Amino acid sequence: DTAVSQTPKYLVTQMGNDKSIKCEQNLGHDTMYWYKQDSKKFLKIMFSYNNKELIINETVPNRFSPKSPDKAHLNLHINSLELGDSAVYFCASSLAGAPKGNEQFFGPGTRLTVL
Amino acid sequence: AQTVTQSQPEMSVQEAETVTLSCTYDTSENNYYLFWYKQPPSRQMILVIRQEAYKQQNATENRFSVNFQKAAKSFSLKISDSQLGDTAMYFCAFTNRDDKIIFGKGTRLHILP
Repeated sequence: DTAVSQTPKYLVTQMGNDKSIKCEQNLGHDTMYWYKQDSKKFLKIMFSYNNKELIINETVPNRFSPKSPDKAHLNLHINSLELGDSAVYFCASSLAGAPKGNEQFFGPGTRLTVL
Repeated sequence: AQTVTQSQPEMSVQEAETVTLSCTYDTSENNYYLFWYKQPPSRQMILVIRQEAYKQQNATENRFSVNFQKAAKSFSLKISDSQLGDTAMYFCAFTNRDDKIIFGKGTRLHILP
């Protein structure tokens, strides 16, 4: 059983389009995250949600909008895609959030390519 | 600002050798957590080992162990008896009460047959 799943795994789209990436976790975790990994493998947090509430928003352009319909899901919607949005996007989840040092479980990643 | 620095962008060692990956961090906090994550070519991020700053004892997980030097803000990862499956990117990471994990830029480790 997949603990954290993301769909799609690969996404190729044209500049200017709007796209969504879905994330679901079946671990019963309270907190979910979105990370962006650029072409140099640098991994940076974008958002975190705790029980459907936004906790962290790391100066991400407002073209990126996370949506959490329930605590098991955290979807990422991106409007007006730009070339610089090309990256691998990882969803992750943890129990009770990072301050308690709990492990974050990562999804398989979604490779987004903007042409 | 909190930062995590991995000074070795890439390393190669022979299978069965021991290798140490370096990590330093900067924080004014006293309570925090440190992690090493592994990202193999499959792209999956996997937790290797975790250390709580208030614990003096170095964490160990089978062939993986850390050398945690709190005063020096150093958190190195030692892999003993390295195996081909250890080939991956290794990320050192830090988190504290801000509920935000900060990752280093990673070290690409190649285990050679």
